[in-house]
Amino acid sequence: EEQLVQSGGGLIQAGGSLRLSCAASGLFVTSSYMTWVRQAPGKGLEWVSAIYSDGTTYYADSVGGRFTISRDNSENTLYLQMNSLRTEDTAIYYCARDLRVKVWLSGVPNFFYNGMDVWGQGTTVTVSS
Amino acid sequence: EIVLTQSPDTLSLSPGERATVSCRASQSISVSYVAWYQQKPGQAPRLLIYGASSRATGIPDRFTGSGSGTDFTLTISRLEPEDFAVYYCQQCATSYTFGQGTKLEIK
Repeated sequence: EEQLVQSGGGLIQAGGSLRLSCAASGLFVTSSYMTWVRQAPGKGLEWVSAIYSDGTTYYADSVGGRFTISRDNSENTLYLQMNSLRTEDTAIYYCARDLRVKVWLSGVPNFFYNGMDVWGQGTTVTVSS
Repeated sequence: EIVLTQSPDTLSLSPGERATVSCRASQSISVSYVAWYQQKPGQAPRLLIYGASSRATGIPDRFTGSGSGTDFTLTISRLEPEDFAVYYCQQCATSYTFGQGTKLEIK
């Protein structure tokens, strides 16, 4: 069974740092596209960051320069290092796999998006002023 | 940034009725990059539809996705009690964005 188990949330003062972890089983974070999505209290879903299988990273404008996404092959774990935290970063943070399926068309590999199909349970980050 | 606007914000229906949720993109998107999710209180989102119209594994056939260009739709043909939840559309053609969500509540 493919599973993502999260840890690392908590209460932190504004300006502080926190690292979230997302341990994978049944899938490999280094060969997958992985994302972080957050949800502020009572609000909708907001994409935060992604790391592709080739190591390329992407960030939402709201967190760029403060958050860093990374992964560890030996631990099969995805991380989100969050620095210079702000009260507006208060949210439940979810990790999720962005499933891309490779299909060969006329000898050329094409990657088709199959959605964020496996999600962690979420971890709460509360930033106090 | 591609903005996704869902309508309505809230939908009040009874079990057995048909639900239709719309998602309009601020610019044209390939259907390949559109997905729909269901979220219940206290739970992580659940993938329903990818590629605008393909059902994810284990999703009942009462859930149907359709659309192209800038207009996409999620239809639930006959509402079951477990379908009352919040629904989000999402795109990853350019970065990633989610719609604001549509709450489907029991009338």
